[in-house]
Amino acid sequence: GDSVTQMEGPVTLSEEAFLTINCTYTATGYPSLFWYVQYPGEGLQLLLKATKADDKGSNKGFEATYRKETTSFHLEKGSVQVSDSAVYFCALGESGGGADGLTFGKGTHLIIQP
Amino acid sequence: DGGITQSPKYLFRKEGQNVTLSCEQNLNHDAMYWYRQDPGQGLRLIYYSQIVNDFQKGDIAEGYSVSREKKESFPLTVTSAQKNPTAFYLCASSGTGGFNQPQHFGDGTRLSIL
Repeated sequence: GDSVTQMEGPVTLSEEAFLTINCTYTATGYPSLFWYVQYPGEGLQLLLKATKADDKGSNKGFEATYRKETTSFHLEKGSVQVSDSAVYFCALGESGGGADGLTFGKGTHLIIQP
Repeated sequence: DGGITQSPKYLFRKEGQNVTLSCEQNLNHDAMYWYRQDPGQGLRLIYYSQIVNDFQKGDIAEGYSVSREKKESFPLTVTSAQKNPTAFYLCASSGTGGFNQPQHFGDGTRLSIL
């Protein structure tokens, strides 16, 4: 079945550092890929998405490129801020079963120190 | 503003008691979902509904029940059969268009056992 694997956390960085959170997936079809962010005590917010190979999603300085050849969707940001501290989830929606919900990774807790 | 409202934010259950979590959306979305979030586990799908008066079990439906009598509402009941109900519960919705559509989340309900 479908699965999403994210790098283990917590990831601790200093402010203004470069961020990469790795995400790889397995899927039988051609999924759409998403990154969500969760701040403490809140629900998930969509950060960015990509629906086909080589698409780049971007929002708030974050970027991720849909790499079909490596089945990856790594999240990057050039200069992180303390306010970026949160849990980040990679997710996929499968073309054959999108109506039954997304498949989520376990989340990566990001801590940015001033 | 359109969005998803979950209530209450915190809920306590006594042994042998059923409790109901509310989820209301004004996004005019057809599909709605319930997820359970445990620390380090990511999100797991409990139930989903693609249309009024119809719903399907997700990966961990045992001990839970739902109804979908109105498009806007998708309440989740945690029954006494759910032996480990302590978790963060998230409701989500999405529009038509299948797997390309992102899900929009509420702010969650945290359920604890007394």
